[in-house]
Amino acid sequence: NAGVTQTPKFQVLKTGQSMTLQCAQDMNHNSMYWYRQDPGMGLRLIYYSASEGTTDKGEVPNGYNVSRLNKREFSLRLESAAPSQTSVYFCASTLAGEDTQYFGPGTRLTVL
Amino acid sequence: QKEVEQNSGPLSVPEGAIASLNCTYSDRGSQSFFWYRQYSGKSPELIMSIYSNGDKEDGRFTAQLNKASQYVSLLIRDSQPSDSATYLCAVNILISFQKLVFGTGTRLLVSP
Repeated sequence: NAGVTQTPKFQVLKTGQSMTLQCAQDMNHNSMYWYRQDPGMGLRLIYYSASEGTTDKGEVPNGYNVSRLNKREFSLRLESAAPSQTSVYFCASTLAGEDTQYFGPGTRLTVL
Repeated sequence: QKEVEQNSGPLSVPEGAIASLNCTYSDRGSQSFFWYRQYSGKSPELIMSIYSNGDKEDGRFTAQLNKASQYVSLLIRDSQPSDSATYLCAVNILISFQKLVFGTGTRLLVSP
């Protein structure tokens, strides 16, 4: 099992460019999450998907969109990147009724 | 007021000592509580969960929960240099679904 995988690992964008961060899990988990982590701010929830076919906003959804493509995949899209979106992005997943959120390795994004 | 608060540290302890990490939360309806460890440049990993008042022990780690005072703590006995990391407190206010709110983390440094 690869667990939770994320691509790319690093990305540099210019202001206004768009990109999609990919996340996939092979653990048959129901719920998936996207977080951003900034110095001094901790992990903040951007969007989540409780189950295949549903998505909901988290704490900081502005400037992002998500797609739960199937049970395995949950992508995060930046339509028009801004310097304020420079951050480390983590995807996570969990099985219904379990304690643990399993995190991917993260994507380090810089917006110039 | 931030929902989950932690002292950012760093908390410095010598090898073999007890490290005590604290976390307070604002929502009295919080249901479950988690401690994640995050090494520099890596993703968070779950080390302890606690649901009821009192202590829960797992090896060198003890989580303590006091819902009346709205705090949760993590004790690390016989601290090792490999315990040096940032410890994230997370709180779930929902019963049937995991939607975590994270603190900003406490950086622990264990010196040999």
